[in-house]
Formats: sequence, C-alpha cells, structure tokens
Amino acid sequence: NAGVMQNPRHLVRRRGQEARLRCSPMKGHSHVYWYRQLPEEGLKFMVYLQKENIIDESGMPKERFSAEFPKEGPSILRIQQVVRGDSAAYFCASSGGADGYTFGSGTRLTVV
Amino acid sequence: GESVGLHLPTLSVQEGDNSIINCAYSNSASDYFIWYKQESGKGPQFIIDIRSNMDKRQGQRVTVLLNKTVKHLSLQIAATQPGDSAVYFCAENIGGSNYQLIWGAGTKLIIKP
Repeated sequence: NAGVMQNPRHLVRRRGQEARLRCSPMKGHSHVYWYRQLPEEGLKFMVYLQKENIIDESGMPKERFSAEFPKEGPSILRIQQVVRGDSAAYFCASSGGADGYTFGSGTRLTVV
Repeated sequence: GESVGLHLPTLSVQEGDNSIINCAYSNSASDYFIWYKQESGKGPQFIIDIRSNMDKRQGQRVTVLLNKTVKHLSLQIAATQPGDSAVYFCAENIGGSNYQLIWGAGTKLIIKP
C-alpha cells in the first residue's frame, strides 16, 4: 500500500500559467480532501470530493481554482492564471469515509 | 481570525527529556481536538486525539491534556527522541466535519543531543 501519492513534489510556475496538482488516494479510499498550507501556518481546508462529485468546496477560492475526482485516475487540483500568492504547499488526504485521514507528502508550488 | 494558537513557535529539549507543547483555543463549542506531527517535507501525521468529555488521554509515549476551564490543550512527549523533531499542530473541531478542522500555526520541536 503506497499511501496517498501526490505529484509533482515541487512545481514552479510563472505568473499567469496554470498549475495542475495530482493526488492518488490510498487503495480502497474514495474520499479525497485538498488543503493549502502557507509557510509556518496550519492547514486550511479547500475542497472535499468523492468519485465524480464535489461534496464540499466551501474552502475553495471562487475564481481560478477548481478540483475534480474522475471515475478513473487521480484527483486534480487546478489553479489557473497563478499569482505569487498561490505559492504554498498543497496537501491531499484520503479516507474511507469514517474518521481517519491519511495525508500525502504534498506539492510545493512556487510562483515566480 | 483563527481560534487556535500556540504559545511557543519553537521548543528545544534535550534528548531523553520530556517535551510539553501547549495550545490555546478560544471557541468553547469545540468538542474534538487532534495533535498532528509534521516532519520536514512530509504531510501531517495523526498523533493523538481527545474529545471534550475527557481531560486526559494517553498513547504510546504521548499524553494529551485538555483543560476546558482555561481552553488549553497540551501534548506531552515522554523521553524525547531525535525522531520526534518536527512541527506539531493542534487542531480543533468546532462542530463541523473532521475534515474542516481549524489548525493552529504549529510549534517546532528541536531535539538537542
């Protein structure tokens, strides 16, 4: 069991480009959660997805950010037209539905 | 603003000593608390949790204490080891789902040899 896999580990984008972050949940987990972590801060919830459904996107910025979890393949967090303020570590967690979340190692996005 | 905060951003302890990491929260409606450990370059790892109907909970080498009167949470690590070096976060649930925890800013624990 490889755990929650996130890629890439590091991503550098120029302002205005698009960033795509991928997350493969643990085997058997169908719930995926995305979080953002700014330096020296705790995690902030962004979005909760199940296969082909967005369950809760209350933490997602209204513009430029979107997330999906297709029937096949990883969950994708997409950030369009990135700005310097998007620079952060983005973590994905998965669960089987009950309490207990396993986090991936994150993607560190740097916008230059 | 955030309702969870930590008293010390950095804590240095001698290897073998006990560590105490503190956390203050302001929302008296919080009913569930979790401590996470985050090593450099990794995602958070669950350590221990406690519900508001408890004052104390023990795990392997770790103890969490909850003082609801002063809205204070602490994590005690016994016989601190080099592998305990990490940033420790407390997080609280103010009545929502556990994926929507409010996280504090973290305390960095440094182990001196």
